[in-house]
Amino acid sequence: KTQVEQSPQSLVVRQGENCVLQCNYSVTPDNHLRWFKQDTGKGLVSLTVLVHENDKTSNGRYSATLDKDAKHSTLHITATLLDDTATYICVVGDRGSALGRLHFGAGTQLIVIP
Amino acid sequence: DMKVTQMPRYLIKRMGENVLLECGQDMSHETMYWYRQDPGLGLQLIYISYDVDSNSEGDIPKGYRVSRKKREHFSLILDSAKTNQTSVYFCASSSRQGANSDYTFGSGTRLLVI
Repeated sequence: KTQVEQSPQSLVVRQGENCVLQCNYSVTPDNHLRWFKQDTGKGLVSLTVLVHENDKTSNGRYSATLDKDAKHSTLHITATLLDDTATYICVVGDRGSALGRLHFGAGTQLIVIP
Repeated sequence: DMKVTQMPRYLIKRMGENVLLECGQDMSHETMYWYRQDPGLGLQLIYISYDVDSNSEGDIPKGYRVSRKKREHFSLILDSAKTNQTSVYFCASSSRQGANSDYTFGSGTRLLVI
């Protein structure tokens, strides 16, 4: 059973527009949540990590929120650029120890057009 | 430049052949991982290695084995490849666990089994 669900599956926006990506999960315990960016044919690159209830993070044009009660996270991308075209993957870590596992969503494919 | 290097990048094998995927990291990370990524699915953990000769099965270990004789090197071996092992394989490493971890991913090996 998929424990990390991302929506939308894919999204097309025009350069300069803002967009919001959603992540819902059922992983328990939920130690932390990460958003990764995966360019086509490349590996995953970490954008941000959220740990606490109602955490908010900001990394340039990327900002993220976490609601642990609702087991929900959002990734906001402001003023999109063509280079933002990629797959964005939500990952939930279930422990803060060596025994912890990462649970991966299938990703949201974002396409930014001119 | 800290990185995880995977070789080869692309590989075509026939059913029943043996396959060796190699992964190296230059960060002295204790923990290394092998994942596979299939369309529409999140990354799935095949094996995790906590250090030299300290390996544990992940969620889908069947048909795979691993070897870690040096901290910086982690190999994935498919004895008698099957067509359903066609996938993109990612290696990753980390020095810590949980939210403070600095997960670093390789660029992937694209394996086609015919």
